[in-house]
Amino acid sequence: QKEVEQDPGPLSVPEGAIVSLNCTYSNSAFQYFMWYRQYSRKGPELLMYTYSSGNKEDGRFTAQVDKSSKYISLFIRDSQPSDSATYLCAMSTYGSSGDKLTFGTGTRLAVRP
Amino acid sequence: NAGVTQTPKFQVLKTGQSMTLQCAQDMNHEYMSWYRQDPGMGLRLIHYSVGAGITDQGEVPNGYNVSRSTTEDFPLRLLSAAPSQTSVYFCASSPESATNEKLFFGSGTQLSVL
Repeated sequence: QKEVEQDPGPLSVPEGAIVSLNCTYSNSAFQYFMWYRQYSRKGPELLMYTYSSGNKEDGRFTAQVDKSSKYISLFIRDSQPSDSATYLCAMSTYGSSGDKLTFGTGTRLAVRP
Repeated sequence: NAGVTQTPKFQVLKTGQSMTLQCAQDMNHEYMSWYRQDPGMGLRLIHYSVGAGITDQGEVPNGYNVSRSTTEDFPLRLLSAAPSQTSVYFCASSPESATNEKLFFGSGTQLSVL
């Protein structure tokens, strides 16, 4: 079983829809949770960074962490065609430079105009 | 600012050949790292560095060497290429030397080993 599981998609939604992207994990020591967005043939870019449980909002994006269920989510409101990309979740335990950052395999999202 | 620059963008090698993937950043970041991305595997850390003269192994270091003589540059060397090293390689840097979560990635190098 992988430490981090992420549905690969693809997920196809109409413009303006609310999108929910999810990851589950097995390591209860994870404390730092991130979401990266990766456009085709580009490197990932950091979207959201959260520590421990709770919600964090940034514009149309909301990151949610439920440590009791070992489940994290990224919500995108009023989705736009420019949101079409692969979304990677990532997590780590201690937040140190030598700490292993574990990535999910990514969910492909397509937003139809 | 150019951010993190990787060269080349594409490369085809024959088994046994060696080559160096270049990575440079102009953000004065102390932390730099190399990842490989394979279908169904996620990003995996190859090597990382927390400053000039300091390097360490990541999750999948075998077959790769790194050095860090300056803050700006962090080249990745393939010693004797194997088909299992066919992958997309990303260099990343972080503004926080003590942590590695907030990464800035380059655009990647797509490597094929025949």
